Amino acid sequence: GAGVSQSPRYKVAKRGQDVALRCDPISGHVSLFWYQQALGQGPEFLTYFQNEAQLDKSGLPSDRFFAERPEGSVSTLKIQRTQQEDSAVYLCASSLSFSPGMDEQFFGPGTRLTVL
Amino acid sequence: AQRVTQPEKLLSVFKGAPVELKCNYSYSGSPELFWYVQYSRQRLQLLLRHISRESIKGFTADLNKGETSFHLKKPFAQEEDSAMYYCALAPYTGANSKLTFGKGITLSVRP
Repeated sequence: GAGVSQSPRYKVAKRGQDVALRCDPISGHVSLFWYQQALGQGPEFLTYFQNEAQLDKSGLPSDRFFAERPEGSVSTLKIQRTQQEDSAVYLCASSLSFSPGMDEQFFGPGTRLTVL
Repeated sequence: AQRVTQPEKLLSVFKGAPVELKCNYSYSGSPELFWYVQYSRQRLQLLLRHISRESIKGFTADLNKGETSFHLKKPFAQEEDSAMYYCALAPYTGANSKLTFGKGITLSVRP
């Protein structure tokens, strides 16, 4: 079956532009995560949804970052007034449930954002 | 706060040589530890997790709570093992199983 998909795969934005990154999780997966991966670094947690509820947004670097998952499936990560330091690969992951002891997180291919 | 440290950025070995990728962590609670792998032009995928105690593709990792380590080992490296490897940690309890990753290490296996 289809895995996690993300679009666009590549995005180039001029500094100050707003961008929206989309994640389609595996059908039926309850949990959805966004991670940011800067060049040469490991992924860093941004935010977490359980169905449509955003339960943890502690990793969002500033109030320019906003994420939503209104119907508990597709999620959008929006970055307003992009800055050069926002350049990174944005990864989405989903897992079947939210039970402790953790179902595997399945990752999407990522969106590479370059801010000029 | 939870942290994962992978002290090396690159490990280059010849085919057939043993491999050990180091991972140390700090976490006050009970952690679950993972190794993720990213092959060239592929997405990040789970290699193994300590709770399952499996050997995947010949790799094993033992959680050493005394040394707070979770090193990944393989006795005989293969060329197809060349990839980026990330060690990661998640709280064992709690509904939010967000992962904390190390910076990763590139494993290069030469013929």
